[in-house]
Amino acid sequence: SQQGEEDPQALSIQEGENATMNCSYKTSINNLQWYRQNSGRGLVHLILIRSNEREKHSGRLRVTLDTSKKSSSLLITASRAADTASYFCATALDEGNNRKLIWGLGTSLAVNP
Amino acid sequence: DTGVSQDPRHKITKRGQNVTFRCDPISEHNRLYWYRQTLGQGPEFLTYFQNEAQLEKSRLLSDRFSAERPKGSFSTLEIQRTEQGDSAMYLCASSPGQPSSYNSPLHFGNGTRLTVT
Repeated sequence: SQQGEEDPQALSIQEGENATMNCSYKTSINNLQWYRQNSGRGLVHLILIRSNEREKHSGRLRVTLDTSKKSSSLLITASRAADTASYFCATALDEGNNRKLIWGLGTSLAVNP
Repeated sequence: DTGVSQDPRHKITKRGQNVTFRCDPISEHNRLYWYRQTLGQGPEFLTYFQNEAQLEKSRLLSDRFSAERPKGSFSTLEIQRTEQGDSAMYLCASSPGQPSSYNSPLHFGNGTRLTVT
């Protein structure tokens, strides 16, 4: 079953611009994870934010979590062509229970040089 | 750490044939997962191993699907009597077990793309 819903489904920006993707979910969670997937490849973990955290940073990535609105956002600053990929959010209902990860449908990001 | 490897990368088969995929997880990871992904969708959980024990199977995993992880190392996923609806990317992932599994992310392989004609 899909819980996360990413928004927008597709995003096209110019290199150097910022890209913001949103994820909404339906039930209480333990943590929310963002993954990147290049075309035809596996998923790569980007960042994990726990339910008691509101914001996390990793390099050019910033993730926020609003548990009252059951939503998260992923911001990529100063985008590069290499950031072109699909981005998925996944929610974990239980601590350390990755087999229960519930995935969204993804946002397809195109960064134009 | 050579990452999770999957073999083959691509498989084209005729309907009704059996296929088998292999996954080699990161060596120190004792948790292994199989997912299926179709175009435009997120991954769908299929099954999960803790060492050699298969602890959970999704209802998506019909009786034509079987997975094994002998000796808790590599894993195989077999699909018998393939159908066109089985066409998808089959992804394997691994993660550490307890006690380091607290919120540990999944490490994915590059998948096996199956096309059933």
